[in-house]
Amino acid sequence: EAQVTQNPRYLITVTGKKLTVTCSQNMNHEYMSWYRQDPGLGLRQIYYSMNVEVTDKGDVPEGYKVSRKEKRNFPLILESPSPNQTSLYFCASSGGRSTAGQGALGTEAFFGQGTRLTVV
Amino acid sequence: GDSVTQMEGPVTLSEEAFLTINCTYTATGYPSLFWYVQYPGEGLQLLLKATKADDKGSNKGFEATYRKETTSFHLEKGSVQVSDSAVYFCALKRKTGTASKLTFGTGTRLQVTL
Repeated sequence: EAQVTQNPRYLITVTGKKLTVTCSQNMNHEYMSWYRQDPGLGLRQIYYSMNVEVTDKGDVPEGYKVSRKEKRNFPLILESPSPNQTSLYFCASSGGRSTAGQGALGTEAFFGQGTRLTVV
Repeated sequence: GDSVTQMEGPVTLSEEAFLTINCTYTATGYPSLFWYVQYPGEGLQLLLKATKADDKGSNKGFEATYRKETTSFHLEKGSVQVSDSAVYFCALKRKTGTASKLTFGTGTRLQVTL
C-alpha cells in the first residue's frame, strides 16, 4: 500500500530540547516536503527536497532543519524547539519533477497522518 | 506571490443539501488546481484536480471546474452526506525555478448534520 509514515503522531516536549520527527515513503518519490498547519493559516511549507542530498527552504524554514540521505526518508529536526513551533506537522511526497513538464504539475501529493507537536 | 483564497468556515449543512465552497487564486503562468480533504485525525488526501483551463475535476460526487477567466476553482456537490464532514483545502501547484510548489488555502470546515 502506498503510504507516507510519520512518527511520532503526538509529542509534548520542553523548550530547547532537540527533537526529530521522522518521515518515510514507500513510493520511490523524488519530491518530499514538510508543512505546518495552524488555525487560520492553512498549510505552510517548511522545507522541501527534490532528491537525495538536495533540499531547500520553503516559506517558513526558521528554526527547522532537514536532511535527505536516502530517497525514502526525510526527517524534520528542531534543534532548539520554542513554543511558537507548537503546531500540526505534515510530511508529503510526490512523484515527477518539474522538468518532466506539465505532467509533473498535475501529480498528486501524498500526505502522512500528521504529528501534533506541543512545546511547553 | 501565489495565493489561494477560500471562503471562511465553518459551513453547516443538512444532509442532502447542495454544497458550494468558493476558491479563487492568484498565480502567474499556468498552475494546476487541486482540492484536498482532511478527515478528523488524518492527513490530507487528494479529492480532485484540474490541470488546465476549462478542465473539470470530479470524484465521489464532488466537482470543480478550472475557470481561468475568473481565476476560480469552486467545489460543488449536489447532495452532501454526514460522511462528507471534513476540512477542505483548495491548492494550486506552479513551477517555480526547478521545483513545483503547492500553495494551500486556509481550509474550509464542512459540518453535515442529519
